[in-house]
Parts: sequence; C-alpha cells; structure tokens
Amino acid sequence: QKEVEQNSGPLSVPEGAIASLNCTYSDRGSQSFFWYRQYSGKSPELIMFIYSNGDKEDGRFTAQLNKASQYVSLLIRDSQPSDSATYLCAGPRPHYNFGNEKLTFGTGTRLTIIP
Amino acid sequence: GAGVSQSPRYKVAKRGQDVALRCDPISGHVSLFWYQQALGQGPEFLTYFQNEAQLDKSGLPSDRFFAERPEGSVSTLKIQRTQQEDSAVYLCASSFFPGVRNQPQHFGDGTRLSIL
Repeated sequence: QKEVEQNSGPLSVPEGAIASLNCTYSDRGSQSFFWYRQYSGKSPELIMFIYSNGDKEDGRFTAQLNKASQYVSLLIRDSQPSDSATYLCAGPRPHYNFGNEKLTFGTGTRLTIIP
Repeated sequence: GAGVSQSPRYKVAKRGQDVALRCDPISGHVSLFWYQQALGQGPEFLTYFQNEAQLDKSGLPSDRFFAERPEGSVSTLKIQRTQQEDSAVYLCASSFFPGVRNQPQHFGDGTRLSIL
C-alpha cells in the first residue's frame, strides 16, 4: 500500500461547480498535509496545508482532514477553467530526522474544468 | 532570484553518458530537496541537504546518482552512466529552516531529462 493514495482521475467538473479531490494515507503518524497544484510542464505550487482535524478555508479552496479515517480532501468552489491542472496531495514522511520534512506525494488527480 | 531556479530546463543524453543538473534555491533557504517525477506520477524523494550537509540520500535509486551542495547554496545532481529508466523530470525544492513544521517547500520548474 502506498503511503499516500489519490484517485488518479481524470476528473471533469463544469465551470462554477464544486470540485472535490480526495486523498488517503496509511500512516497514522502523519501530522500534516499539503495540496499542490501542478500545471503541465510547470513546478508544483503549494495552495493549501492542513494539520488539524476539520476544515481550513482559503478563498475558494477548503482543505479537510479526518485523522480517524485517514483521509484528506480539497474542495474547490466556483470552479474556473484556470483551475484545470493536476492536484497533488503530499504529507511529510512520519519519522522526522534532522528536521527533514521530505514529502511523500500521491500520484495526483488531473482536474479539467469544462466551460 | 525570487524563486528556485533549475538548469537546464531540458536535457537529452545518450545512454551511458553522464549528466549534471543544477539547482539554485531561494536565497537564505537552509533545506534543499531533490525529487524525481516520472510521467503521470507524483514526485518521489531523492535526497535532502541541510546547508552543505547531505543528511538523507535514502531515495537515490542507485550509486550512479550523486548530489552535492558544497557551499550550502547551489546544488548539483549528477547521474553517471545514464540509463533509459532515468528519463524523468528532476525537481528541486527549498525551504527556509529545518525543523519547523508545515513550512512550504518551494519548487523549481524542473529539468526534463530524456535518455535516448
């Protein structure tokens, strides 16, 4: 079992609708999670991080973390065509060493917003 | 510079050649990471530096891969005797200070390596 798993998609959502992206993880020691957006040929760009149970909102984005069920999700409200990208879920490897917060990524979910 | 800079953006090499990939992190960032991203996959960790010290190289796939950061700023990832399976995008990321949780890693645009 991979440490971080995502549905690879692709996921298509009409413009203006809510896009829901999900990620599960295997190690209960994982403390925090990051959502990165990656446009084709570009670098991953951090859009949200979350480390507490519950919801965290930032503009049109809401990250949700449920440690009991070991899943983390990202909701994008009022989806725009510019949101079309691959979304990567990542968590630090659970065992820290010398402050090394190397990230474990899921395979990414490719999201397309249909105008 | 304002962000993490990687060069070259694209590199084509013949199987068996050696290649060197450069990463210039954000000024003042102590932590530096290298990741490998295969097509359609998420990035996979290769190695980690804290200043000039390479504290974790557990992700390097073979002894053909070597990384250094001699002065604690610019880093070079070297791949010797390249193989076709080395074809991937190599991403460099930096963050300001180790041991502070949840601080973001800032990624460069990567070097796309193609081995013929």
